Amino acid sequence: AQKITQTQPGMFVQEKEAVTLDCTYDTSDQSYGLFWYKQPSSGEMIFLIYQGSYDEQNATEGRYSLNFQKARKSANLVISASQLGDSAMYFCAMRETRSNDYKLSFGAGTTVTVRA
Amino acid sequence: SAVISQKPSRDICQRGTSLTIQCQVDSQVTMMFWYRQQPGQSLTLIATANQGSEATYESGFVIDKFPISRPNLTFSTLTVSNMSPEDSSIYLCSVVTGLGNTEAFFGQGTRLTVV
Repeated sequence: AQKITQTQPGMFVQEKEAVTLDCTYDTSDQSYGLFWYKQPSSGEMIFLIYQGSYDEQNATEGRYSLNFQKARKSANLVISASQLGDSAMYFCAMRETRSNDYKLSFGAGTTVTVRA
Repeated sequence: SAVISQKPSRDICQRGTSLTIQCQVDSQVTMMFWYRQQPGQSLTLIATANQGSEATYESGFVIDKFPISRPNLTFSTLTVSNMSPEDSSIYLCSVVTGLGNTEAFFGQGTRLTVV
């Protein structure tokens, strides 16, 4: 069964506006972690933000914030004040800690294109 | 954080040949992983590289096709053997620097094209 679902294959956003990327997850673990990565056309994976399942506050890192709704099992990424350099593929990922193997499960990804 | 150097960054290979990809980390890490990203797809875990022992492979991946070495806590190699065009992908090394650490770092990736 799919553990991470990203339903938006592609999104367009105007420069300087905010964009929300959806991510829902499926786990029976009580302890888990949620990650967002950015992959530009060069192919590298850039870590953006992390949210632990026990964290009460939504994670924020600069222009990135994670809207964590545990009951709904969603972990949406919000990028504020979009820049042209934000154009990339974005992946949501989850680490389930029950097995203690530290493996990540990735969603299908969302392509973001920022327009000038 | 960890700085990961992955080599080569890209290669074009003939079918039937093998390519070895190296992953070097600037500090000792707890766990190392190898992922594959086929064109237009998400990342799929190939295996966990275990230091001093055989790697742990995910379903659909076998040691004969993707032999992995990890001789110490900072270095690992992935070999893609007897390549076919279906092996054309980005291969990524990933590390976890400590148990309970919140981040998983990735190398720059190796973009492989098999012709």
